[in-house]
Amino acid sequence: EIVMTQSPATLSVSPGERATLSCRATESVISLAWYQQKPGQAPRLLIYDASTRATGVPARFSGSGSGREFTLTISSLQSEDFAIYYCQQYNNWPPYIFGQGTKLEIK
Amino acid sequence: EVQLVDSGGGLVKPGRSLRLSCTGSGFTFGDSAVSWFRQAPGKGLEWVGYIRSKVYGGTTEYAASVKGRFSISRDDSKSIAYLQMDSLKTEDTAVYYCSRAPVAGSIVDYWGQGTLVTVSS
Repeated sequence: EIVMTQSPATLSVSPGERATLSCRATESVISLAWYQQKPGQAPRLLIYDASTRATGVPARFSGSGSGREFTLTISSLQSEDFAIYYCQQYNNWPPYIFGQGTKLEIK
Repeated sequence: EVQLVDSGGGLVKPGRSLRLSCTGSGFTFGDSAVSWFRQAPGKGLEWVGYIRSKVYGGTTEYAASVKGRFSISRDDSKSIAYLQMDSLKTEDTAVYYCSRAPVAGSIVDYWGQGTLVTVSS
């Protein structure tokens, strides 16, 4: 079974700066998504197929990568971006495996 | 607007049962696969199981941690999916989310708001 590992566990960044979050898989991933989760809320889809923004997601969010290494970049952090981010592999078995999350906090 | 509303959570004793509901609106419910996920307090996200749309047979798959204890069903005429949880354990305590995908196992694009299930004596 694929294991997804995110790094760092916590990332402290100042508003307006760039944030880079990583996700690594133990084997090659067919499809990868990124979700944002704020306290007390459900996850929100940001990126699917590694690099396609979901409907309504601002252009400051971008995804890249393939195979085993993936990156989520937030180009200029806004106050509403501070949250936990999860990567998730899909179109495989087991069908949905998540990383443990990266907490993006205000520096 | 696509909406999923989870309901039915609560406090239940170990060994007992509970049924959660997921009501969809703003899309053709019967054309979508429905997945259930859970998140234990302070922990990450875990897939629980899914039910395919009728076009794909309406069959179900489950995570190993719940297989044989949990079951998913759907009533497309009411746009509702259910998660029946039997023989509950304390480690099943979590917020449970329903979600939808175009095809089971494909990208999950919308989630319900979640419902808390607490298993405790």
